[in-house]
Amino acid sequence: EDQVTQSPEALRLQEGESSSLNCSYTVSGLRGLFWYRQDPGKGPEFLFTLYSAGEEKEKERLKATLTKKESFLHITAPKPEDSATYLCAVQGGAGNTGKLIFGQGTTLQVKP
Amino acid sequence: EAGVAQSPRYKIIEKRQSVAFWCNPISGHATLYWYQQILGQGPKLLIQFQNNGVVDDSQLPKDRFSAERLKGVDSTLKIQPAKLEDSAVYLCASSDSSYGTQYFGPGTRLLVL
Repeated sequence: EDQVTQSPEALRLQEGESSSLNCSYTVSGLRGLFWYRQDPGKGPEFLFTLYSAGEEKEKERLKATLTKKESFLHITAPKPEDSATYLCAVQGGAGNTGKLIFGQGTTLQVKP
Repeated sequence: EAGVAQSPRYKIIEKRQSVAFWCNPISGHATLYWYQQILGQGPKLLIQFQNNGVVDDSQLPKDRFSAERLKGVDSTLKIQPAKLEDSAVYLCASSDSSYGTQYFGPGTRLLVL
C-alpha cells in the first residue's frame, strides 16, 4: 500500500534560521512526488513536482530534493510569510489512476 | 487564468440532513478530483472523473456520498444523510490529464452538528 509520512509534524523557526522538512514514502513505481503549500482556510497551492532520484528544484527560498525513499524541502533563511502547512504527496505508477497519496503535513511557523 | 472555483465556502448542517457542493474546474481540464481533508490530516481522494466518466471511486462511501460531472465540466458532490464524522474540508482539484499537476480550489468547510 502506498504511504507517505512527513516529519516533523510542527516546526518553529526564527526568521533567517534555515531548516529541512522530511517526506518518507513507499510507493509501487513512483510516477511523481509533489510538494504543496497550504495556508489556513485555503486549498493546497502547488510548489514542485519531482520525478526521479537525484532531481532537485528551487523556488525562491525553497529547494526540494528526491531520493529513492525520501524527499526533503529545504528552507533557506525563511521569512514569516513562509509560515504555512507543507504537504507532500506521491503519485504511483502501476495500477494508479493519477490520485495523490498525501502525508499529514508539516506546519511551519517562522517568527520575526 | 481562472483557478478552480468551489461553492459554498462554508456550510453548517444538522446530522441526517443532506448537503451538496459544487466545483468548476480550470477551463479545459479533463480530470476532476474530490478530496476530503479532516482537520490535521492530508487530503484523501473520494472520487476521480475523466471527462464525465468515473475513474476511481474506491474510497467514496457510496451509501451516503454521490457525485456527478455532467457534460464533463462542473461537478457536484452530495452527502445524504450526513454524519458527524463528515465534518471536514471538501477540496476539488483539476488537471489537464490523469497524471498532470493537480490544482486545488479553496475548499468547502462542512460542519455537521
